[in-house]
Amino acid sequence: QMTQSPSSLSAFVGDRVTITCRASQRIDGYLNWYQQKPGKAPKVLMYGAVNLQSGVPSRFSGSGSEIVFTLTISNLQSEDSAIYYCQQSYSTPITFGGGTKVEIK
Amino acid sequence: EVQLVESGGGLVQPGRSLRLSCVASGFNFDEYAMHWVRQLPGKGLEWVSGISSNGHSIGYGHSVSGRFSISRDNAKNSVYLYMYSLTTEDTALYYCAKATCGGESCHSVAYNWLDPWGHGTLVTVSS
Repeated sequence: QMTQSPSSLSAFVGDRVTITCRASQRIDGYLNWYQQKPGKAPKVLMYGAVNLQSGVPSRFSGSGSEIVFTLTISNLQSEDSAIYYCQQSYSTPITFGGGTKVEIK
Repeated sequence: EVQLVESGGGLVQPGRSLRLSCVASGFNFDEYAMHWVRQLPGKGLEWVSGISSNGHSIGYGHSVSGRFSISRDNAKNSVYLYMYSLTTEDTALYYCAKATCGGESCHSVAYNWLDPWGHGTLVTVSS
């Protein structure tokens, strides 16, 4: 089970925001982050907790290793308005966090 | 370019069955595990099922285990989701997604990330 927080946040352009995902057991870094915009399929942002997917802006970063993981967006941009999900792929059933809705003030 | 195209969704009555299909192109299909993920209306993502590249290893989410069945036909570059005893709680957009491990293959259901995803096929269960 993946517990994601907060469920929503609102911030200004240029702010730094952090989303946290907590696993119910060790998942050894098998943690991925996805971004979903309205009407679109999710897209991977980070894989293996700390690796930036090709083409994703460097203002996105990830950290964590065993149970607690974070996604940080530095210098928030208007196009970052979306819902963000964490996902563990350490064991089946694979599970997603509940999502964090990021809004721009 | 990797493409995943889902089909088979539609309106179905409770208790009935449905088969979803996902046709893949742009990569060596038999080298990659595949997944189905669903999204209930206005809700988050829920992993439904995954199948290894050779079809020998399969996993299901808790809410569909025993009712849904996944399979693949590597000769047709296709993965299927058979859904039985459908309920209104199965109403969702169903996505097909390719497992990715960063290399030229990704055989296992676990230890990977989902990239890319298809556009989804909508399943509505209603009387």
